[in-house]
Amino acid sequence: NAGVTQTPKFQVLKTGQSMTLQCAQDMNHEYMSWYRQDPGMGLRLIHYSVGAGITDQGEVPNGYNVSRSTTEDFPLRLLSAAPSQTSVYFCASSYRGVAQYFGPGTRLTVL
Amino acid sequence: DQQVKQNSPSLSVQEGRISILNCDYTNSMFDYFLWYKKYPAEGPTFLISISSIKDKNEDGRFTVFLNKSAKHLSLHIVPSQPGDSAVYFCAASGHPLFTGANSKLTFGKGITLSVRP
Repeated sequence: NAGVTQTPKFQVLKTGQSMTLQCAQDMNHEYMSWYRQDPGMGLRLIHYSVGAGITDQGEVPNGYNVSRSTTEDFPLRLLSAAPSQTSVYFCASSYRGVAQYFGPGTRLTVL
Repeated sequence: DQQVKQNSPSLSVQEGRISILNCDYTNSMFDYFLWYKKYPAEGPTFLISISSIKDKNEDGRFTVFLNKSAKHLSLHIVPSQPGDSAVYFCAASGHPLFTGANSKLTFGKGITLSVRP
């Protein structure tokens, strides 16, 4: 199993550009989520999904969209990037409520 | 309003000694607590968890203690090793089997542990 994979590892955007951060898992996990980690802030939940076709907002959803068309994939879309979205983004998955498996992260810089 | 607090940003201990990492929470609906370890440029990895029906859970060198009345948990690492040097995050959620958003985790800010050889 590859576990949770994220692409790209690094990305630089200009303000106003859009992009999609990819996340995939091969463990048939129901639950997937996106977090961002900022210095001194810990990890904050952006969006999560409890199954294909079901998504909901987390703590900091503004500026981000998600969809869950398959069990395996949970992409995160930035519609119009802003410097405040410069962060490290982690995708995670789990079966039911047990501990989540995290991907390696995407480091995003918005200029 | 921070619901999970790790008030000490860093901790330095000697190899072989005990490391004690503390975590406090304010939300009485939290029912499940986890510790994650994170190395630079990697994603967090699950370390150990505890349900609110227990007050202690042990896994090798790692033990988590929960004091529900004080809304406090701690992670003990004995003996500490240089490879334990990392950032440790405390996280909390509702009971995983009973809530719709069953894995909606709230994280603390993390503690940087340094284990000196």
